[in-house]
Amino acid sequence: QVQLVESGGGVVQPGGSLRLSCAASGFTFSTYGMHWVRQAPRKGLEWVAFIRYDGSNEHYGDSVKGRFSISRDKSKNTLYLQMNSLRVEDTAVYYCAKEGSGTYYAVNNGGYMDVWGKGTTVTVSS
Amino acid sequence: EIVLTQSPGTLSLSPGERATLSCRASPSVSSSYLAWYQQKPGQAPRLLIYGASIRATGIPDRFSGSGSGTDFTLTISRLEPEDFAVYYCQQYGRSPLTFGGGTKVEIK
Repeated sequence: QVQLVESGGGVVQPGGSLRLSCAASGFTFSTYGMHWVRQAPRKGLEWVAFIRYDGSNEHYGDSVKGRFSISRDKSKNTLYLQMNSLRVEDTAVYYCAKEGSGTYYAVNNGGYMDVWGKGTTVTVSS
Repeated sequence: EIVLTQSPGTLSLSPGERATLSCRASPSVSSSYLAWYQQKPGQAPRLLIYGASIRATGIPDRFSGSGSGTDFTLTISRLEPEDFAVYYCQQYGRSPLTFGGGTKVEIK
């Protein structure tokens, strides 16, 4: 079955870096766009980043632009999120999610998320 | 950026009752590019509806979505015990992708 498993979360000081991973299985990873979505404690969902199925296009939310970088390795069926210059407000559960839409716009810019991982927790604190 | 406003914040209902959740967009969402998700405590969100009205695979037909442009609705025709959760709308017509703040459906 389709499965996404995140890892790499932990506690980091403000200004530090962390790299999250998301191992995908049960589908042809190289043919689907992928997202990162986060949820701060007791808050709603916030879209973080999207990468096209072939890695040729990326989009970011305004709050992480210039600090976070999304990437993928098709040989390992793995999605990554490199997080630099971390802030206290980046504290959240980070979910990876598979792109669900096949429309031209969504393939290039991101659409809805049809499969989600269980998430990994990132805590930014001194 | 498209701002999605969900109402009410909390809906208190009994099993068997009908739930009507609202999601308003400003500015409007193009081509009905709106999705709905359900999230239970401690769990990841689950896709319910995409394209404003298309049920995702395996979603019971008591869940239905409607609307276009600026006004969208998620209706649960008869609440089952497992439907008490938080529901989020999300637009994918314009970058950045955005979510609404959520509606909590709680047991009355």
